Amino acid sequence: DAGVTQSPTHLIKTRGQQVTLRCSPISGHKSVSWYQQVLGQGPQFIFQYYEKEERGRGNFPDRFSARQFPNYSSELNVNALLLGDSALYLCASSRGTSGVQWEQFFGPGTRLTVL
Amino acid sequence: DAKTTQPPSMDCAEGRAANLPCNHSTISGNEYVYWYRQIHSQGPQYIIHGLKNNETNEMASLIITEDRKSSTLILPHATLRDTAVYYCIVRVGTGTASKLTFGTGTRLQVTL
Repeated sequence: DAGVTQSPTHLIKTRGQQVTLRCSPISGHKSVSWYQQVLGQGPQFIFQYYEKEERGRGNFPDRFSARQFPNYSSELNVNALLLGDSALYLCASSRGTSGVQWEQFFGPGTRLTVL
Repeated sequence: DAKTTQPPSMDCAEGRAANLPCNHSTISGNEYVYWYRQIHSQGPQYIIHGLKNNETNEMASLIITEDRKSSTLILPHATLRDTAVYYCIVRVGTGTASKLTFGTGTRLQVTL
């Protein structure tokens, strides 16, 4: 089975622009979470979606938004990009949100550079 | 949120056991300890998790102290491919609000 896939792998944007990152979960997984990893730090939780509904949000500004589609894939949107948004954006999928279904599998990430 | 403390870096000779400690003194009774690792520029990889009993799988063993305030991840025979940043995480929340709260981890360097 294919793992979590993310696109694009790399992206360069300039300040003020908007970006959309995409994630396809493992087949059969209904939950997708997004994390931001700034260089030298651990990943920080941004959002969790389950069955197309937002189930959790981290401490990120409203410039960050996401959605989940009927096929359980997900998009992360970031508006009005700042230099500080430069990071590796990670997507993780899981079968569900509790118990043994919760284990999260991470994709390879999208590296965003804001100039 | 329960917080974890890990040494920033450790070295281990190839073929020897790597023992990575983690302190989580404020852990609550229903919170699990998870270990993930991240090889350079890749997504984190799940290793193992536990509540209060010791756990073992094909990758590693997890030893949790009786008071649950600390744990140790053991890689029994470290190889060069085990060089990575290892994160000890206390799973925050339950059900639909659950998430992983990563710290800065331990950078394990396995050498010849």
